[in-house]
Amino acid sequence: NAGVIQTPRHKVTGKGQEATLWCEPISGHSAVFWYRQTIVQGLEFLTYFRNQAPIDDSGMPKERFSAQMPNQSHSTLKIQSTQPQDSAVYLCASSLEWGAREQYFGPGTRLTVL
Amino acid sequence: GEQVEQLPSILRVQEGSSASINCTYENSASNYFPWYKQEPGENPKLIIDIRSNMERKQTQGLIVLLDKKAKRFSLHITDTQPGDSAMYFCAASPLVTNAYKVIFGKGTHLHVLP
Repeated sequence: NAGVIQTPRHKVTGKGQEATLWCEPISGHSAVFWYRQTIVQGLEFLTYFRNQAPIDDSGMPKERFSAQMPNQSHSTLKIQSTQPQDSAVYLCASSLEWGAREQYFGPGTRLTVL
Repeated sequence: GEQVEQLPSILRVQEGSSASINCTYENSASNYFPWYKQEPGENPKLIIDIRSNMERKQTQGLIVLLDKKAKRFSLHITDTQPGDSAMYFCAASPLVTNAYKVIFGKGTHLHVLP
């Protein structure tokens, strides 16, 4: 079991460019979560999917952020027209739907917007 | 509201002493309270959790207490060691179908001084 896989590990973009972040959850996990981590805000919830369906995206900045889960093996977080304030570590986590509900985090993607 | 407040943000303790982190939550539907530890350069990992049908849980030098009336829960690390130095996040979540979004506190940076 490779755990949650996130690619790329580091991404540098220029202001106004698009960034796409990838997450491969643990096989068999039906819930996938996206978080943004900064020193100031800590771990901010962005969105989550259950059995590939979007359940709650209340944490997503409305205009430039979008997330999809086209199949059970991967999810993407897309940020359009990136801004310096989008710079953060974006963490993906997955969990079993039932049971202990422990979330298994990936290593994160460190996004730097110049 | 859904916020989880976590204090202190920075905690320095002497090796061998105990460390306490306190959290409060707003959502009265919350009934699952995990604690995650994040070591430098690593992703957060679950270290202990407690459900609302319990007031106290202990495992391997960690104690969590839950006061549902006050909407308050806490982590106590006994006999701290240098390896306990890390970021600690508390979280709250409702354990119901279709609604187990996890809201994290902003984290506590624990420094165990030799």
